[in-house]
Amino acid sequence: SQQGEEDPQALSIQEGENATMNCSYKTSINNLQWYRQNSGRGLVHLILIRSNEREKHSGRLRVTLDTSKKSSSLLITASRAADTASYFCATDESGNTGKLIFGQGTTLQVKP
Amino acid sequence: EAGVAQSPRYKIIEKRQSVAFWCNPISGHATLYWYQQILGQGPKLLIQFQNNGVVDDSQLPKDRFSAERLKGVDSTLKIQPAKLEDSAVYLCASSLGAGSYEQYFGPGTRLTVT
Repeated sequence: SQQGEEDPQALSIQEGENATMNCSYKTSINNLQWYRQNSGRGLVHLILIRSNEREKHSGRLRVTLDTSKKSSSLLITASRAADTASYFCATDESGNTGKLIFGQGTTLQVKP
Repeated sequence: EAGVAQSPRYKIIEKRQSVAFWCNPISGHATLYWYQQILGQGPKLLIQFQNNGVVDDSQLPKDRFSAERLKGVDSTLKIQPAKLEDSAVYLCASSLGAGSYEQYFGPGTRLTVT
């Protein structure tokens, strides 16, 4: 079953603009992770935010987590054409088995 | 550090045939995962191993899918017999342990069942 729902499903922006993707989930979590997938490739881990954290940064990425609303957002600043990919949120449900449940993903296109 | 290796990269079979996928995780990673990713969707966990034991196989269609991880390293996933709806990318991932760890994914095997 899919837990995360992502919004929007698709996003198209110009290079240099910021991109924001949102993820909502249903159950209690240990952590939430964001992954990127380039066309025809495997997933690459971007960032992990624990349930007791509210915000985390990594380079041009900023992730927020609101456990009261069961939602997270991924912000990519100053986007580049190379950021074109699908982005997935994944939740590690309470129980700490490491099992991740992925959302449907947001397809981001960055136009040069 | 070598990444997660998978083979083959592509496979085309007819329905009712059998197929096997192979995965070699990152050295030292105790936990191995197999995911199924249907076009346009996020990956869905099929089975999770901790060393050579199964942690979660609740979404594995056990009447046709099987997986093993002998000696706690390499793993194989088999489908027998295949159905049209099994057409998907099969992703293998590994992590240091079960818990709050990032997962490292292989390139996947794209299966087409005709």
